[in-house]
Amino acid sequence: AQSVTQLGSHVSVSEGALVLLRCNYSSSVPPYLFWYVQYPNQGLQLLLKYTSAATLVKGINGFEAEFKKSETSFHLTKPSAHMSDAAEYFCAVSMGADSSYKLIFGSGTRLLVRP
Amino acid sequence: ETGVTQSPTHLIKTRGQQVTLRCSSQSGHNTVSWYQQALGQGPQFIFQYYREEENGRGNFPPRFSGLQFPNYSSELNVNALELDDSALYLCASSSDGFKVPFFGPGTRLTVL
Repeated sequence: AQSVTQLGSHVSVSEGALVLLRCNYSSSVPPYLFWYVQYPNQGLQLLLKYTSAATLVKGINGFEAEFKKSETSFHLTKPSAHMSDAAEYFCAVSMGADSSYKLIFGSGTRLLVRP
Repeated sequence: ETGVTQSPTHLIKTRGQQVTLRCSSQSGHNTVSWYQQALGQGPQFIFQYYREEENGRGNFPPRFSGLQFPNYSSELNVNALELDDSALYLCASSSDGFKVPFFGPGTRLTVL
């Protein structure tokens, strides 16, 4: 069975500081991994995805994530936080890569950015 | 090109009632997935429809049912509503060419 664990329900950083949001996965097959962001009262927006190509994946808004098979991790980073990055972030793994991805989500990490 | 749209935005029902939520997929998308997001939690997969056929189901009881129409829009029906059904219901669409789900803004359902 596939699952995702996000360490830290809340992460607080200062504006301009490094952002690191942690995600570990469990999968019996090569995983497809995703990061989504959710702003208040909105749906989910795709930040980036890993689908067995390059292990370092670059996404929108300056975010990137590195797939590390040995550590079963897919942590999300951004070199310099901006106030507009404050949101809820979800890591997800796909249940399959057949016709379309059926996603299993982690419980989310709320990013707070201090001025 | 319009994105994924959902209606209504908010809905209040009482226990035991039935509800229908609607989703219009993004232009060119033939797959629709539904997710339930309880307050403070990550979304949970309910089911997926591909070319009008159910294509996978999560751990939800049969009172959660769905439909996909020839234009690939979709409905989520929930019978015999329970208090725990209160959540944000998200619809996501995708295509054969780009399989990653694009999410709509959601419908907030409150069951009293």
